[in-house]
Amino acid sequence: DTGVSQDPRHKITKRGQNVTFRCDPISEHNRLYWYRQTLGQGPEFLTYFQNEAQLEKSRLLSDRFSAERPKGSFSTLEIQRTEQGDSAMYLCASSSPREEQYFGPGTRLTVT
Amino acid sequence: KNEVEQSPQNLTAQEGEFITINCSYSVGISALHWLQQHPGGGIVSLFMLSSGKKKHGRLIATINIQEKHSSLHITASHPRDSAVYICAARLIQGAQKLVFGQGTRLTINP
Repeated sequence: DTGVSQDPRHKITKRGQNVTFRCDPISEHNRLYWYRQTLGQGPEFLTYFQNEAQLEKSRLLSDRFSAERPKGSFSTLEIQRTEQGDSAMYLCASSSPREEQYFGPGTRLTVT
Repeated sequence: KNEVEQSPQNLTAQEGEFITINCSYSVGISALHWLQQHPGGGIVSLFMLSSGKKKHGRLIATINIQEKHSSLHITASHPRDSAVYICAARLIQGAQKLVFGQGTRLTINP
């Protein structure tokens, strides 16, 4: 399978715990995006990497959120001290410059 | 006002009907995407277009750059077309991130 993969697909955690999600993009894509989608809404941009450099972050990305792409391949998104408002689908997408973005299956986070 | 607006938000139709979903945007774009999302969350890209019209099977997407408007049409709709359809504007500047509409939930009844 050469598509975008995300792990885990589902995560249930208690409020206050830390969680980490992983995204493996399509191997030749140098651009990687994280989006968040709450129930009944369209996705919203969180952050963007070009190779290993994080070039843009949304205001939605509070200081409890951190994302990395250490070798310009896979990326991780960590949420510290989770809150119930963090419950959402976290989507990863990758692309080449000026090409369409390909989405992973998403990680559904539920904070109880 | 959202930068990308879709209408209608919900659409129910009978099998075989011609479906139109509209998308208007207020930002400068390099391309407009139409995406399909099934229950469970996975998003599939249907079209990326920057001008004119594209067709794939029973799906047709059009864009009018001057009017900042795009439409997705489904001919001979089928219950398996039931999904959420999302338009997303790819911004010209910077990251070329996508700005999404809120989605149109389409239900096709047999």
